[in-house]
Amino acid sequence: DVKVTQSSRYLVKRTGEKVFLECVQDMDHENMFWYRQDPGLGLRLIYFSYDVKMKEKGDIPEGYSVSREKKERFSLILESASTNQTSMYLCASTTNTEAFFGQGTRLTVV
Amino acid sequence: GENVEQHPSTLSVQEGDSAVIKCTYSDSASNYFPWYKQELGKRPQLIIDIRSNVGEKKDQRIAVTLNKTAKHFSLHITETQPEDSAVYFCAASIRSGAGSYQLTFGKGTKLSVIP
Repeated sequence: DVKVTQSSRYLVKRTGEKVFLECVQDMDHENMFWYRQDPGLGLRLIYFSYDVKMKEKGDIPEGYSVSREKKERFSLILESASTNQTSMYLCASTTNTEAFFGQGTRLTVV
Repeated sequence: GENVEQHPSTLSVQEGDSAVIKCTYSDSASNYFPWYKQELGKRPQLIIDIRSNVGEKKDQRIAVTLNKTAKHFSLHITETQPEDSAVYFCAASIRSGAGSYQLTFGKGTKLSVIP
């Protein structure tokens, strides 16, 4: 079974803090994605990576950055957290087709 | 980029009835269309998918149809059961300029099956 693990299930951070969300997959997939999920807005793509040290912006990259130093790990970084970044964050690892999701990190910025 | 529209946003059906969720996409280059089911508090999981060279695919009570000319695809659930209650996402996959595949999701449909 493919396993995609996100480091935290729940996080509470203060406005202005730098936040790291970690995602690790164990299937040697090249493609990894970060989405945020908000009610009524579905899954919106923040960033994705198709190889180590490679990254591409998704639909809503503003306020975020990513890091892919190793194939199995894809990190999402909130440089200076703001309240409008309170959301559920989902990491996914994919073959060329099927996406396998992590369990999600519910981030609250206060 | 690709844009996926999904309707309805919420759907309530009586147990045993059928449910239909519809999606449209914008980029004719998209060639793979999966559907994901997300139960409350859980991660989305793939339930069925269809490729552009196939018009219809069925898996027990679930079927998906694709009309490439009209750029729309639909999920059909027959004989619905309470455990079908979940949020369903459609998606379209397109090869990105970097050579990877990018999944664009619809906004989701919250299906409630009333016993």
